[in-house]
Amino acid sequence: KQEVTQIPAALSVPEGENLVLNCSFTDSAIYNLQWFRQDPGKGLTSLLLIQSSQREQTSGRLNASLDKSSGRSTLYIAASQPGDSATYLCAVPNSNSGYALNFGKGTSLLVTP
Amino acid sequence: EAGVAQSPRYKIIEKRQSVAFWCNPISGHATLYWYQQILGQGPKLLIQFQNNGVVDDSQLPKDRFSAERLKGVDSTLKIQPAKLEDSAVYLCASSRVDGGGAETQYFGPGTRLLVL
Repeated sequence: KQEVTQIPAALSVPEGENLVLNCSFTDSAIYNLQWFRQDPGKGLTSLLLIQSSQREQTSGRLNASLDKSSGRSTLYIAASQPGDSATYLCAVPNSNSGYALNFGKGTSLLVTP
Repeated sequence: EAGVAQSPRYKIIEKRQSVAFWCNPISGHATLYWYQQILGQGPKLLIQFQNNGVVDDSQLPKDRFSAERLKGVDSTLKIQPAKLEDSAVYLCASSRVDGGGAETQYFGPGTRLLVL
């Protein structure tokens, strides 16, 4: 059974800092890995999707890397802003049921002005 | 394109009552998911539909939860009777597979359920 773990559970940083969120998974036979953002009371917004054949994906100030062999992914946020405050979730497809996602518990990020 | 729609957005009920949630996926998306997200946790799959057929309902508490997707479009999720531990956000997602075989899930805003 795929287990997804995210560290840290919570993070508070001053505006402008670069930061790294970590995600690990137990079964390396994954199709892809996704990072989502969740704002309070809202649904999930997909930030980046890395295919199993890729090592990283970039979107603006966000960069996600994937190391399947070690079962790890990192989300790097450059020059953090207060608007980045949200919960960040990592997810991998359930290898036993197509594309249904297994999620970590998330990292709650607070960026202070 | 319009996103995934869910209603109601909030619901408060007493334990042992019944409740139903509705989801309208993005037009043309064959796959529909219901996830349960308990406070402080990541979403957990309840049921996955492909068109109007069930792909995976292994984590659906079938003694109290039921779901259907008539005509392969809209879906309803029902809880009868509700328990305190059912308090959570219920998220609906739909997905498509692009030409490269990558599947992207789009999530609705969720229904926040509080069982008293």
